Amino acid sequence: DQQVKQNSPSLSVQEGRISILNCDYTNSMFDYFLWYKKYPAEGPTFLISISSIKDKNEDGRFTVFLNKSAKHLSLHIVPSQPGDSAVYFCAASETGNQFYFGTGTSLTVIP
Amino acid sequence: DARVTQTPRHKVTEMGQEVTMRCQPILGHNTVFWYRQTMMQGLELLAYFRNRAPLDDSGMPKDRFSAEMPDATLATLKIQPSEPRDSAVYFCASGRRGAGTDTQYFGPGTRLTVL
Repeated sequence: DQQVKQNSPSLSVQEGRISILNCDYTNSMFDYFLWYKKYPAEGPTFLISISSIKDKNEDGRFTVFLNKSAKHLSLHIVPSQPGDSAVYFCAASETGNQFYFGTGTSLTVIP
Repeated sequence: DARVTQTPRHKVTEMGQEVTMRCQPILGHNTVFWYRQTMMQGLELLAYFRNRAPLDDSGMPKDRFSAEMPDATLATLKIQPSEPRDSAVYFCASGRRGAGTDTQYFGPGTRLTVL
């Protein structure tokens, strides 16, 4: 049973516009959330994280929003660039325990 | 530039053969994870070590898979005998639990094809 779900397998966005990637989780004990970015033939690389004591974390063009009551997090990329085209995984954990990953969303940024 | 290394990068083998995948975690990291990436399940956790001790290997088919950390610089994942359904990309990741930053660093993966 998937504890972390990414319901959109793919997303296409025009360069310069906002990309919004969504992630839902089921375990209310999760208190730490991350986004990873993966290019073909490479391992996932850490992008941004957020702990449950916050509802927003920003790093440059990337912002992660956490809605604990809805058990939902999202990653906003503004402005989107062609180099952002990759598969994005969200992950969640209860601190000290294993991470659970979603199935990924493939983002294509169209020049 | 510290990185997780994995060998081999690609492996093609025949059904029934033993497969061994190796991982060198980042020096100083105390946790090591093995994941399998499939289209349907995304990244599935197979095994998880902390300070070289296995903490969770419930995601692994026990009859054919085994994971070990003979020392702090080497983690291995073995499949014996291999089956076509084991074809996937296997990732190793390392991290430092309890350091305040709970982030995993992934290796480039081993793409396994079992014919």
